[in-house]
Amino acid sequence: DTAVSQTPKYLVTQMGNDKSIKCEQNLGHDTMYWYKQDSKKFLKIMFSYNNKELIINETVPNRFSPKSPDKAHLNLHINSLELGDSAVYFCASSQGTIRGTQYFGPGTRLLVL
Amino acid sequence: DQQVKQNSPSLSVQEGRISILNCDYTNSMFDYFLWYKKYPAEGPTFLISISSIKDKNEDGRFTVFLNKSAKHLSLHIVPSQPGDSAVYFCAASHMEYGNKLVFGAGTILRVKS
Repeated sequence: DTAVSQTPKYLVTQMGNDKSIKCEQNLGHDTMYWYKQDSKKFLKIMFSYNNKELIINETVPNRFSPKSPDKAHLNLHINSLELGDSAVYFCASSQGTIRGTQYFGPGTRLLVL
Repeated sequence: DQQVKQNSPSLSVQEGRISILNCDYTNSMFDYFLWYKKYPAEGPTFLISISSIKDKNEDGRFTVFLNKSAKHLSLHIVPSQPGDSAVYFCAASHMEYGNKLVFGAGTILRVKS
């Protein structure tokens, strides 16, 4: 019984395509996040939602649009994919927005050709 | 601008010995620090945290030390076990940033048996 799950695990696509990554957590948490791990291995936050409301929005291109249909899900849609979008994307969740330990999903490896 | 730095890309330790992983930060606003462990093809897993009001926190074989004046923290693993071989990420946050974590680049720990 996976706590934070992501689909797909691997995604290979062409430049210019639109793709979505899905995330679900069964921990009952109210806050979810998207992180990007780039080629230099840094994990950088992209977005955070608390009770379906956007609370953190880092400097991310408009081509990235998160959507939270409910507290247990946070999906990431990427339009017009570019080569530089190739990375590992991690979803995470926590209870609350202050000091809550974040639990990470296994990651989605995106490769844009 | 790396606010959290892990200057050692890798560390190799003999089984049974102590592993010391270091982390430095530049933002004096940070008041909460965490260590995450990551195996290949998996998401980061929370290990241990420390608040800036403390200088030490211990959990089994893992101890984190915080030196606020030096803006430095370290993770001690005693005794080291082969299963500890992984990438260790240091992360920091502060109340005004909500639960946004700023990660270091990680240190690869190899424990030799």
